[in-house]
Amino acid sequence: SQTIHQWPATLVQPVGSPLSLECTVEGTSNPNLYWYRQAAGRGLQLLFYSIGIGQISSEVPQNLSASRPQDRQFILSSKKLLLSDSGFYLCAWSLAPGGKNIQYFGAGTRLSVL
Amino acid sequence: DQQVKQNSPSLSVQEGRISILNCDYTNSMFDYFLWYKKYPAEGPTFLISISSIKDKNEDGRFTVFLNKSAKHLSLHIVPSQPGDSAVYFCAASSSYSGAGSYQLTFGKGTKLSVIP
Repeated sequence: SQTIHQWPATLVQPVGSPLSLECTVEGTSNPNLYWYRQAAGRGLQLLFYSIGIGQISSEVPQNLSASRPQDRQFILSSKKLLLSDSGFYLCAWSLAPGGKNIQYFGAGTRLSVL
Repeated sequence: DQQVKQNSPSLSVQEGRISILNCDYTNSMFDYFLWYKKYPAEGPTFLISISSIKDKNEDGRFTVFLNKSAKHLSLHIVPSQPGDSAVYFCAASSSYSGAGSYQLTFGKGTKLSVIP
């Protein structure tokens, strides 16, 4: 069966520090991968998605970037964190390229930028 | 512009009764709809989905109804159990747009509390 791992679970970082969140998927090949952010009191906002190694699409221009160095690895990064980057970050994967786009989520990372 | 709306931020239901969570959408290109359940500090868990060619899909205690003309869907939980207490997100996607077909558009969620 497929599993998705996301770490760390919680992270407290000072403003201006770098960020690296990692997500890996097991049990499947060539998944679509996604990064979402849930800010307090808001829904899930898609940040990036990837349909293959090195292929990244950005949905929201911002202080963050994403990379996919391996088929089942997705990394969310920032060179300098802002206070507004605080939130709950979720990684997800799916199989279908369209239509029945069921996405499966990791446990999330709670990021607090102070 | 919020394309998927869950107008009730919270809902309280007695254990054993029916819980009805509602969701409205504005984009007529959406053709696939999903419900996710989320506990605090965890990722959302997929519950049930429905294609626009159907008006009902049932899975155990969970049933999703779709009214395309009204651009409305609802999730029914019968009977409700205390373990159902969580935030429920409605999501939608479209198979028509090449890039957009990868995206799920989420509502802001409804917090369900099932009272024992």
